[in-house]
Amino acid sequence: EPEVTQTPSHQVTQMGQEVILRCVPISNHLYFYWYRQILGQKVEFLVSFYNNEISEKSEIFDDQFSVERPDGSNFTLKIRSTKLEDSAMYFCASSGVRSGPPNEQFFGPGTRLTVL
Amino acid sequence: SQQGEEDPQALSIQEGENATMNCSYKTSINNLQWYRQNSGRGLVHLILIRSNEREKHSGRLRVTLDTSKKSSSLLITASRAADTASYFCATDLNTGGFKTIFGAGTRLFVKA
Repeated sequence: EPEVTQTPSHQVTQMGQEVILRCVPISNHLYFYWYRQILGQKVEFLVSFYNNEISEKSEIFDDQFSVERPDGSNFTLKIRSTKLEDSAMYFCASSGVRSGPPNEQFFGPGTRLTVL
Repeated sequence: SQQGEEDPQALSIQEGENATMNCSYKTSINNLQWYRQNSGRGLVHLILIRSNEREKHSGRLRVTLDTSKKSSSLLITASRAADTASYFCATDLNTGGFKTIFGAGTRLFVKA
């Protein structure tokens, strides 16, 4: 069964460093998402991506964040200058095989980001 | 209240009992979805109900949606110890774009 994959599973970085989190969505999906979950808290929407551009983004997704789909298979989240409060689990998700309202989202296993 | 609030925050029941979790939201939605998460791992999609639907079933799961009250409920019948997890409702907002907001979740513990 197709699944969303994410790498790395755990990333440790120093404050101020740039990190790139990688996701490979399900191959025929059209909609892509990033979420984060701070330990013990709820899942927070960061950004959605459709038709090679950002569809929606939250207040969390400021100028330090960017997303890219560089090669038609990978979907990346970049944090330019990490802060301690960026420490969280980051989940990628994908959905939708045709245009129109997207359906269920399939989530990857997550990348745990630890900023020291 | 925030978009996607669940209650109760935690629920502890005996195996075989039914578990009911509720979700309320504030703004107009396209769909409402329920997800399950085991101990900080990935989220698993359980069921999606569209804004023009009132009830949906999937196995031991029953979801209702009342758009006039902006609320939904998830019922798990004949619960099992393996149902122990956190359950989240997620609303797909009617913004013209694609934005999904998760609630704070209900932690369900099913005692064997």
